[in-house]
Amino acid sequence: DAGITQSPRHKVTETGTPVTLRCHQTENHRYMYWYRQDPGHGLRLIHYSYGVKDTDKGEVSDGYSVSRSKTEDFLLTLESATSSQTSVYFCAISTMVDQPQHFGDGTRLSIL
Amino acid sequence: GESVGLHLPTLSVQEGDNSIINCAYSNSASDYFIWYKQESGKGPQFIIDIRSNMDKRQGQRVTVLLNKTVKHLSLQIAATQPGDSAVYFCAERPVHGSSNTGKLIFGQGTTLQVKP
Repeated sequence: DAGITQSPRHKVTETGTPVTLRCHQTENHRYMYWYRQDPGHGLRLIHYSYGVKDTDKGEVSDGYSVSRSKTEDFLLTLESATSSQTSVYFCAISTMVDQPQHFGDGTRLSIL
Repeated sequence: GESVGLHLPTLSVQEGDNSIINCAYSNSASDYFIWYKQESGKGPQFIIDIRSNMDKRQGQRVTVLLNKTVKHLSLQIAATQPGDSAVYFCAERPVHGSSNTGKLIFGQGTTLQVKP
């Protein structure tokens, strides 16, 4: 939807391994966001980007890093995955800060 | 602290009836509010938004009402259909001084069940 592709859609990995999730957009939107969704916590912002190479932390950024080398791609990396990072991860994009964010269909990540 | 919450975790309505989903927010400085619908296995889908300088906004079968006095937001769905069954989230955008990053704070969500 809204020209957003998240990959992979599902991933199972082991504690301590690095994991990278990719968000690709075809809308040329400036702003991109990574959220995680957990029961009882709703959607929480991990990191966001307001332009190429411009990123900042959200409310639950510990253990995550991001990179945006070009407008269309926003990568989320778990340097050393932990079981507490088992979650569904959503990418969102928006044209401007006062416009709605549009979401991808998520990546279900399980860390054993 | 900042929080966005919903009064009811589950709402069950009869097909054809109107639905009202409520949301309370705590940050009086928030200037932008959004309602999302999320179906199982999918990402949140934008429904409607409203800015703080408005009290009401209508879309197709949906209306959002904003009461800034009591910091309350509601989503009304007219003639609810089985396809409306989903989880609904409200979100607010707090404004911090002159900085505005577009960060949203989401509520926990309300499940809407439509009975045929």
